[in-house]
Amino acid sequence: EAGVTQFPSHSVIEKGQTVTLRCDPISGHDNLYWYRRVMGKEIKFLLHFVKESKQDESGMPNNRFLAERTGGTYSTLKVQPAELEDSGVYFCASSQGAGGFVDTQYFGPGTRLTVL
Amino acid sequence: ILNVEQSPQSLHVQEGDSTNFTCSFPSSNFYALHWYRWETAKSPEALFVMTLNGDEKKKGRISATLNTKEGYSYLYIKGSQPEDSATYLCASTSGSARQLTFGSGTQLTVLP
Repeated sequence: EAGVTQFPSHSVIEKGQTVTLRCDPISGHDNLYWYRRVMGKEIKFLLHFVKESKQDESGMPNNRFLAERTGGTYSTLKVQPAELEDSGVYFCASSQGAGGFVDTQYFGPGTRLTVL
Repeated sequence: ILNVEQSPQSLHVQEGDSTNFTCSFPSSNFYALHWYRWETAKSPEALFVMTLNGDEKKKGRISATLNTKEGYSYLYIKGSQPEDSATYLCASTSGSARQLTFGSGTQLTVLP
């Protein structure tokens, strides 16, 4: 079974540019999460999709971040325009949903974003 | 405790040593405690999910315990090997939220 995949693995952009990150969850997983780890700090929650619906987006830092999950399969996270403080590793995770709140979340390898 | 806290921040041990780390989490509204093993540039690997007070889980040489009343979990590694070198992350879920709240991790280095 393929795991969670993320693309690209690295992205280096200039301040003010736009970047789109993609996440492909494990097939059949209804729950999809985005997290971010800023240098030296803990991994922090950004948002949670159940199928194509945003269940919780309380962790999104501001309106420069836009996440979509059209069709309830893969998800994209767009940062527009990027700022220096957006640099970090963006993780995606998915879970089946059958276990209620005890679901194991399976993580992708992350996208390392550097904003210059 | 308001946040998830892990100690120590980093740890160096010799091959063959046994070691343990601590995760402290808010005990009010607690639902589940997750442990992950993470090597940089790879996917964090799920180790355990625990929910009940007194839970103990084991996977090979790695085991974990949970105390929900006092809000802590221990992760034990018996007979550490160089391939155990990684960052060990704990995360809790609480209330009705499914999001994981992570600690900052314990970076383990096992010296051959």
